Amino acid sequence: DAGVIQSPRHEVTEMGQEVTLRCKPISGHNSLFWYRQTMMRGLELLIYFNNNVPIDDSGMPEDRFSAKMPNASFSTLKIQPSEPRDSAVYFCASSRIHTGELFFGEGSRLTVL
Amino acid sequence: EDQVTQSPEALRLQEGESSSLNCSYTVSGLRGLFWYRQDPGKGPEFLFTLYSAGEEKEKERLKATLTKKESFLHITAPKPEDSATYLCAVQASGNAGNMLTFGGGTRLMVKP
Repeated sequence: DAGVIQSPRHEVTEMGQEVTLRCKPISGHNSLFWYRQTMMRGLELLIYFNNNVPIDDSGMPEDRFSAKMPNASFSTLKIQPSEPRDSAVYFCASSRIHTGELFFGEGSRLTVL
Repeated sequence: EDQVTQSPEALRLQEGESSSLNCSYTVSGLRGLFWYRQDPGKGPEFLFTLYSAGEEKEKERLKATLTKKESFLHITAPKPEDSATYLCAVQASGNAGNMLTFGGGTRLMVKP
């Protein structure tokens, strides 16, 4: 079975540009999570969805960040405009609802110059 | 607010030298405690779930234990392929879904 698929794997962009990260969760999973990982702050939850509905977005840093899940097999995380402090690895993870066994993608490494 | 603290931040072991990693947590009500392994350039990979104090889980050279305030990941006779970052996470019983709060991780290096 395919795992969680994220794209792009690497993104280098300039400050002020729009960045869109994409995620395809594992089929049959009904919870989806977006995490951000940096050396300074570790793994931080940005937002998560249950059955395509956003449940908790309190980790989204500011209005520049937005996430959508239009259907059970696709989600996006958008940053507009991007800033150098957004540089990090962004992970998408999925699971069956109410379990803590998350399956992570390989991450999208974002560098904002 | 849920908090998870892992120690040490980094640990160097010789092959065969057993040791333990610590995960201390503060949570309003524990639904579950989770251990993950993360290799460089990869996403975290699930290892264990522990639900109640006194519970133990084992997988090859790894054994996870849980008390009311902390969890330990014991590594017996480690091999170089055990080198990775080990992450601990908690799931609180009060939250609406299944969000996890992660600790900062312990980076384990096993020398041959």
